[in-house]
Amino acid sequence: SAVISQKPSRDICQRGTSLTIQCQVDSQVTMMFWYRQQPGQSLTLIATANQGSEATYESGFVIDKFPISRPNLTFSTLTVSNMSPEDSSIYLCSLRGGGSDEQFFGPGTRLTVL
Amino acid sequence: AQSVTQPDIHITVSEGASLELRCNYSYGATPYLFWYVQSPGQGLQLLLKYFSGDTLVQGIKGFEAEFKRSQSSFNLRKPSVHWSDAAEYFCAVGASSSGNTPLVFGKGTRLSVIA
Repeated sequence: SAVISQKPSRDICQRGTSLTIQCQVDSQVTMMFWYRQQPGQSLTLIATANQGSEATYESGFVIDKFPISRPNLTFSTLTVSNMSPEDSSIYLCSLRGGGSDEQFFGPGTRLTVL
Repeated sequence: AQSVTQPDIHITVSEGASLELRCNYSYGATPYLFWYVQSPGQGLQLLLKYFSGDTLVQGIKGFEAEFKRSQSSFNLRKPSVHWSDAAEYFCAVGASSSGNTPLVFGKGTRLSVIA
């Protein structure tokens, strides 16, 4: 199994500011995934982050709004830029792997934008 | 393209009653299938998974699921629901042995349990 930690666990931010979410994994992984979960909704994949290359974004998500860094095989950051109240969500870091191919999730960052 | 349909957005059952949550998938090859649970304010926890072999799989917390290829279904069941089972349940499908592609998740089914 994999242990994933995220910081911060929650934050309340003002409109127009940016927040960087950190994700740390206890093992080396090639791909890491970032999800958004809006209130009462399912998981929406934002992007796939491959170490050493630019992240691949899903339809509806752009790098200027959600820049991602992947400096090494155990760490990634997601920045939510120029925030608006619509960005209020839980943001989850994830990876897939291990012998069972299940997907592991971090505890999430609960973001509230005022 | 892969997809997962969970037709029930919200289900309410009485404590002690049986439960079945539906999941239908669309996938071109033999799928890897999963059920996750998300309790209020908690992270996602894996309940069970199916890769191959016996089509009835057992998971944690007394849950089981049955893979039916002919119906493209992977329904989750529990014979007797406990109040602590109230949560959001997600079905997911993915390619086999691929850490490079994420699972595709359904929209989830919210389970409420009443006394």
